[in-house]
Amino acid sequence: EVQLVESGGGLVQPGGSLRLSCAASGFSVSTNSMTWVRQAPGKGLEWVSFMYNGAATYYEDSVKGRFTISRDNSKNTLYLQMNSLRPEDTAVYYCARVHGPTMVWGVITDGWFDPWGPGTLVTVSS
Amino acid sequence: SYELTQPPSVSVSPGQTASVPCSGHKLADKFVSWYQQRPGQSPVLVIYQDSERPSGIPERFSGSNSGNTATLTISGTQPVDEADYYCQAWDNSTVVFGGGTKLTVL
Repeated sequence: EVQLVESGGGLVQPGGSLRLSCAASGFSVSTNSMTWVRQAPGKGLEWVSFMYNGAATYYEDSVKGRFTISRDNSKNTLYLQMNSLRPEDTAVYYCARVHGPTMVWGVITDGWFDPWGPGTLVTVSS
Repeated sequence: SYELTQPPSVSVSPGQTASVPCSGHKLADKFVSWYQQRPGQSPVLVIYQDSERPSGIPERFSGSNSGNTATLTISGTQPVDEADYYCQAWDNSTVVFGGGTKLTVL
């Protein structure tokens, strides 16, 4: 069964760091595209980061330079290193497997997210 | 930056057809996916590539995309379909979500 489980969330002060983990089972993160999506309390979904076929990485503008997506093939785990955290980063963070990613002339044009993990809550507050 | 617009809420009576629209500039030039999120749960994919239904998703869920609007249609809506629904597309290698639509079945 394909499954994803996030961990590493918690309470952190503004300016602090956290590393989120997403443990995968039933498939290999090394040969799949993966993504992180967050949801602030009571708000909608917001895309955070994407790793294309285990290599090229992409970020939403507000996290560029602060967040880094990576993977450990030996642990079959995806990570999100979050630095310089801000109160507006407070959210439930979900990881998801990306199916059917399509690159046309160097631009990603398609990909759908399934399954999603249960999420891990990150709270940035003093 | 590219934007996807959804109405905050849609209401439907049980057994009737619900339509959830998602609008964006020349949206038909892009592929659209749809996600269902029940309260307290993670999102679930219900439609991808405009109109494809994943295995395990009931046939009453369908999708279309034309012009500037993509539409998620739920035929014979059931109380269990009450949830938030989000559309999603790609623009210049970034992912865009609509603001979400709360579907109320009453």
